[in-house]
Amino acid sequence: SQQGEEDPQALSIQEGENATMNCSYKTSINNLQWYRQNSGRGLVHLILIRSNEREKHSGRLRVTLDTSKKSSSLLITASRAADTASYFCATDDNTGKLIFGQGTTLQVKP
Amino acid sequence: ETGVTQSPTHLIKTRGQQVTLRCSSQSGHNTVSWYQQALGQGPQFIFQYYREEENGRGNFPPRFSGLQFPNYSSELNVNALELDDSALYLCASSLGGYKQFFGPGTRLTVL
Repeated sequence: SQQGEEDPQALSIQEGENATMNCSYKTSINNLQWYRQNSGRGLVHLILIRSNEREKHSGRLRVTLDTSKKSSSLLITASRAADTASYFCATDDNTGKLIFGQGTTLQVKP
Repeated sequence: ETGVTQSPTHLIKTRGQQVTLRCSSQSGHNTVSWYQQALGQGPQFIFQYYREEENGRGNFPPRFSGLQFPNYSSELNVNALELDDSALYLCASSLGGYKQFFGPGTRLTVL
């Protein structure tokens, strides 16, 4: 079963705009990770945020984590057509078993 | 490039058959995890191997089994294939299980 839900399920924006995706989860976690998947291929690791962290940045990516609300958000700034993909959050309870959400499909129009 | 490779890329089988999928870990990684991703869904954890021993299993029946070899490569075996086994099978390697590097996946179609 999935850990939680991602919102929205689909997002369509223009190049240059920002994209925000949200993820909710159900159980206690050790860390939360975001992955990207292009056209049903393998997943690419984007960023990991630990349970004692509240915000993390990597290039155009900004991730926040609110453990009291069991939620996380991924912000992609100044989006590009190449950012078109599906984005998944995954939680890890320190067993190494990743539990994924349903994903958000992002389309960036040139 | 993550360095994790999977074979074959695509596979078509019929119901009741058996299938073996292969995964080569990234160099230096001692942990391999397998995931099943149905169309339009997020990946679901099947099991994990650490130094050739099973180290956790998801909610999958015993007909899903695996192996990890001394060079840390791995196999996923599925017996008595069912139509619902049609999915993308992803292998991920890691050192200690934190940041997992995924292979490109094997697309299995069961007819």
